[in-house]
Amino acid sequence: GAVVSQHPSRVICKSGTSVKIECRSLDFQATTMFWYRQFPKQSLMLMATSNEGSKATYEQGVEKDKFLINHASLTLSTLTVTSAHPEDSSFYICSAPVGTAHGELFFGEGSRLTVL
Amino acid sequence: EDQVTQSPEALRLQEGESSSLNCSYTVSGLRGLFWYRQDPGKGPEFLFTLYSAGEEKEKERLKATLTKKESFLHITAPKPEDSATYLCAVQEAGNNRKLIWGLGTSLAVNP
Repeated sequence: GAVVSQHPSRVICKSGTSVKIECRSLDFQATTMFWYRQFPKQSLMLMATSNEGSKATYEQGVEKDKFLINHASLTLSTLTVTSAHPEDSSFYICSAPVGTAHGELFFGEGSRLTVL
Repeated sequence: EDQVTQSPEALRLQEGESSSLNCSYTVSGLRGLFWYRQDPGKGPEFLFTLYSAGEEKEKERLKATLTKKESFLHITAPKPEDSATYLCAVQEAGNNRKLIWGLGTSLAVNP
């Protein structure tokens, strides 16, 4: 089946630095990818929709200048957390849809970000 | 307000003890209901899609059913490897394809 690979799985950084997370579709092309954030005991929160070759669409309340998304090719989307602060510590997960319904998603392994 | 509620929040079963997880939803029109499994520290894994009331899907020890107001995930004779958090998501009919996620049910199956 389709595989989405996410890297790094864990990252620890100092406050004020930037962190880049990569999300790759390994055996299929993904014109759309979704970036989620998950806090303990909370539901998955959609942050933004990444569109190949165009600007990402951000959900309400998500700062686009803080969470930079680039989808430069049909197999790679990146999320850069700029000037990270401790409150940005979370589990970030990317996903790509199967077909056009966008409800069946292949998720990456997730990236645990800890900002000190 | 559109919402998805899963119950129970946590469930502990003995190996072989069958049970059901519930996902109730409130949307103006349903495009699809989706079940996922999530292991600790991992991304969710897609299990089932249900589109209309009365529909059922099965995979190994899992069976998902759908009514107009809720979905059940039945687990028959569970094994320890079925331990995970089970997430339910709903997609509303219309142009907005955004998923509404529940908080999940954390299932632990003891050997």
